[in-house]
Amino acid sequence: AQTVTQSQPEMSVQEAETVTLSCTYDTSENNYYLFWYKQPPSRQMILVIRQEAYKQQNATENRFSVNFQKAAKSFSLKISDSQLGDTAMYFCAFMTLNYGGATNKLIFGTGTLLAVQP
Amino acid sequence: DVKVTQSSRYLVKRTGEKVFLECVQDMDHENMFWYRQDPGLGLRLIYFSYDVKMKEKGDIPEGYSVSREKKERFSLILESASTNQTSMYLCASSLAGGVWTGELFFGEGSRLTVL
Repeated sequence: AQTVTQSQPEMSVQEAETVTLSCTYDTSENNYYLFWYKQPPSRQMILVIRQEAYKQQNATENRFSVNFQKAAKSFSLKISDSQLGDTAMYFCAFMTLNYGGATNKLIFGTGTLLAVQP
Repeated sequence: DVKVTQSSRYLVKRTGEKVFLECVQDMDHENMFWYRQDPGLGLRLIYFSYDVKMKEKGDIPEGYSVSREKKERFSLILESASTNQTSMYLCASSLAGGVWTGELFFGEGSRLTVL
């Protein structure tokens, strides 16, 4: 069974600094996606960034980037120039690619609560 | 803007009551999901639906049922609420099948307290 582990329940960073959130996963599959989702306080969860396992290049979305280490099954999120609006719960998630037409499901980690301090 | 709307942000119910949580999406998405979010446990999938009147169990379906009579609406039903069902419930929707690359669109959540 696939599992996703986030070992940092809470983290704190000063505004404008850089912070890295850790995620490891376990799977025997070769084709899959990895995600970071953000859940701001009392607001909807949104997708931050997505990485396809077959791509060696790390995904980047503005101030958000990932360090994808497939052999180590590691998928960390780096937030550069942290802003107060980055304060949120961050969830790492995993999804296998099923080409047979069945609905794929996401498996979520337990989350990391990030506080950006002014 | 895409929108997933959950009917109630906060509910307080008594043990044994029947509880309905409603979710509506306006994106014409095929897939809809109900998750439960608990501190330290992350998000756990209760049920999902890939088409009208179709449903599949997720990881923790016990004590829950669902209904999808129309494409845009997915309801979660607690037949007899218990205190261990006190939680945050998140509804989500997505595109279907091969065109889906994993992006879920979430509602704001329904926080249920069972006394």
